[in-house]
Amino acid sequence: EIVMTQSPVTLSVSPGERATLSCRASQSVSASLAWYQQKPGQAPRLLIYRASTRATGVPARFSGSGSGTEFTLTISSLQSEDFAVYYCQQYDKWPHSFGQGTKLEIK
Amino acid sequence: QVQMVESGGGVVQPGGSLRLSCAASGFSFRTYDMHWVRQAPGKGLEWVAFIRSDGSNKQYADSVEGRFTLSRDNSRNTLYLQMNSLRAEDTALYYCAKGLYDWGSPFDYWGQGTLVTVSS
Repeated sequence: EIVMTQSPVTLSVSPGERATLSCRASQSVSASLAWYQQKPGQAPRLLIYRASTRATGVPARFSGSGSGTEFTLTISSLQSEDFAVYYCQQYDKWPHSFGQGTKLEIK
Repeated sequence: QVQMVESGGGVVQPGGSLRLSCAASGFSFRTYDMHWVRQAPGKGLEWVAFIRSDGSNKQYADSVEGRFTLSRDNSRNTLYLQMNSLRAEDTALYYCAKGLYDWGSPFDYWGQGTLVTVSS
């Protein structure tokens, strides 16, 4: 099973600043990597897939990069609605696996 | 609009069974692969199971292999998860999710989930 490790566990950032979240795979997943945002009491929302493709309706301030084992989600200028938990997920091999999540909180 | 509504959750004793359903609408259900993902209270996401659009292929997480069975009825636009031999660690909110494309795929739409509690 591919283990996905996200860092940091918690990230404190001020509104308007940039946030950078990391995700590492225990073996190469090529570009088969997605990012999700989850707010309290809500289902996850797909933000990025194929490592760098924004899903429909996702603002341009969200960007993804990386391939192989190292991936990054960048939020260029944090808005109040961006504070949430973010998960990466690999879908290259079965079983599909998620990272443990990064909680993005207001500084 | 795309909508998925899960049902069938509840409280069950260890060793018991439950069948979850996911009623889909707003898209051509029969042409999309589907998944179940679960989230234990206060924890992260865990992928559980996958079924091909025509039901021809299924994949399961090791943690549920042999205990859970995924099926679908494309005539009713409904996905099912039969859960047997339930354990305390199966307690979670269970989401059904639609694959964005075939086979290995991210999930572009999710239901709101149905809560399963395994407790004596």
